[in-house]
Amino acid sequence: QKEVEQDPGPLSVPEGAIVSLNCTYSNSAFQYFMWYRQYSRKGPELLMYTYSSGNKEDGRFTAQVDKSSKYISLFIRDSQPSDSATYLCAMSGLTGGGNKLTFGTGTQLKVEL
Amino acid sequence: EPEVTQTPSHQVTQMGQEVILRCVPISNHLYFYWYRQILGQKVEFLVSFYNNEISEKSEIFDDQFSVERPDGSNFTLKIRSTKLEDSAMYFCASSDEGAWQPQHFGDGTRLSIL
Repeated sequence: QKEVEQDPGPLSVPEGAIVSLNCTYSNSAFQYFMWYRQYSRKGPELLMYTYSSGNKEDGRFTAQVDKSSKYISLFIRDSQPSDSATYLCAMSGLTGGGNKLTFGTGTQLKVEL
Repeated sequence: EPEVTQTPSHQVTQMGQEVILRCVPISNHLYFYWYRQILGQKVEFLVSFYNNEISEKSEIFDDQFSVERPDGSNFTLKIRSTKLEDSAMYFCASSDEGAWQPQHFGDGTRLSIL
């Protein structure tokens, strides 16, 4: 079983739709959960990070973590064509500074006009 | 907003040659990282670096790889004798000191081995 699993997509939605992106993980040591956005030929750009189970909201984005089910989600409301990118989930343990990140394979999202 | 910068954006090298990839982390950050992304695959951790020494490395980071902080601003990744399978995007990241701090990435160097 892979440590982090993410549906690669591609996912195509109309502008204004609500998008749900998901990852599951198997390693109970993961305590911090991140979502990165990656545009073509660019590096991962940090969108949100969270530690505890529950929801965290930032504008149109909501990150959700369920540690009991080992499942995390990113919701994008009122999706825009500029949201078209690959979305990467990433996770790390709680061992102090310098934690390595374990990434999912990324979900490619296209928001169409 | 401060950012991680990487040079060059694209490096083409003959197999067997040495290559050095350069990174300037965010200025007040103390943890530095290298990751690799082979085309079509996930981003993979290579190495983390703190206080002038490697704090963790993956099994990918074998004796052909080395990292260095040659001065107060640069962080480099050297591959001694490149192989075809080293072709990938290489991302540098940095994070602040603290119990846990998020990592910020540069735009990467695309390494092509011929």
